[in-house]
Order: sequence, then C-alpha cells, then structure tokens
Amino acid sequence: DADVTQTPRNRITKTGKRIMLECSQTKGHDRMYWYRQDPGLGLRLIYYSFDVKDINKGEISDGYSVSRQAQAKFSLSLESAIPNQTALYFCATRGTSSTDTQYFGPGTRLTVL
Amino acid sequence: AQSVTQLGSHVSVSEGALVLLRCNYSSSVPPYLFWYVQYPNQGLQLLLKYTSAATLVKGINGFEAEFKKSETSFHLTKPSAHMSDAAEYFCAVSPTKSSYDKVIFGPGTSLSVIP
Repeated sequence: DADVTQTPRNRITKTGKRIMLECSQTKGHDRMYWYRQDPGLGLRLIYYSFDVKDINKGEISDGYSVSRQAQAKFSLSLESAIPNQTALYFCATRGTSSTDTQYFGPGTRLTVL
Repeated sequence: AQSVTQLGSHVSVSEGALVLLRCNYSSSVPPYLFWYVQYPNQGLQLLLKYTSAATLVKGINGFEAEFKKSETSFHLTKPSAHMSDAAEYFCAVSPTKSSYDKVIFGPGTSLSVIP
C-alpha cells in the first residue's frame, strides 16, 4: 500500500461548489503539506501543518482552508471553487529533522468549470 | 525573494546520451537543494538532495548533481539516458536550513528520451 494516499484522484466540479480533498499517510510523520501544481509554475505551497494543533499558511492560501483531523489525516477544502483553482493538488509528509525527505501522494486532478 | 530557475522547459536527448538538466537558485545563505522526478500520473519522488555535505551528490537511478556555490547552480546529470528516464524533473531549494518547510520549487523540465 502507498505511504501517502489522496482521494479523490480526479474531480470535476462547478464554480461555487464546496469541495474537500483528503490525504492520509502511514509514515507516522507529524508534518504534512498541501501543494498545487500548475504547468510552468512548479509546485506552490498552500498550507502546512506541524501537528494537529499547528497549521500554517503557505504561499497561496487564499481561497483554501485545511483541517488536520489526526496525525495521519490532512484535508484541503475549497469553500467556493473558482475556475482558476483548476490544478493538480499534492499532499506530502515528512519527519521533523531538517534533512528528512518529503514523501508525496499521487495527486488529485481538480477541474472547476 | 528566493527563486529557482530551470533552463529549458523541455529537453530531448537520445537514448544513451548524456542528460544535463540545469538549475540555478538565488539564496543569501547556503541552502538545501533537491531534485525531484515526477513520472506521469504520479507524485514527486526525491532523486537526490544536498544538505551541506559533499558538493557532488549521488542519487537514485544513476543521477548525480554538483553544488557550485560560486555559480549558484545545482545541475543534474546522468551519463547515459534510458527510456525510463522520460519524466518531469523539478529542482527545489530550501531557502535556509530553518525554513525547510517552505521549499521553493522550480518550474520543471520535461525530459524526453528518443530511441
């Protein structure tokens, strides 16, 4: 089984709808991240969490919210989706050492019509 | 602001030829540097990382990269390309060792390998 899983893998929704993307990990890591990937822009950090009580905004948090339900689960919500949120979304985890590797999920392809 | 540039959004090489993917970064202090690979429909996978030890870093699948502080570069190389190397490659930098959680990714380079 994969260490980092994301559901759904693909989602098409309409403008104004609320949508939640879910991430689960079995690595036992405290730190979890949400990124979005756009062609030609690489990955940009949306939110990150050091533990269930410590959530931080990333570079592009506007229009997004997150919930850390447990050490293993980190959800990303779009309260009112808009077309420019169409992107590939990745969840990642890592340990607490500064040299620890990030492990990425397979991604969720979100299309907002 | 910190940034990462990758010269060439798309690189094509023949099978067996040298692979060279370029990465330059801007950082006021010695950073941590990374190369990730993304195969189609998959997440990113770490190829290698520089964390202030040896400047020549060896990674998985025969890739290596050399940190050159004077050139602020961290180019990725592989002596002989294989068809399975076709993927998207991302260079990334942690601006400082204390801001590892705010890794900045480059725009990516798509590598094609021609038979």
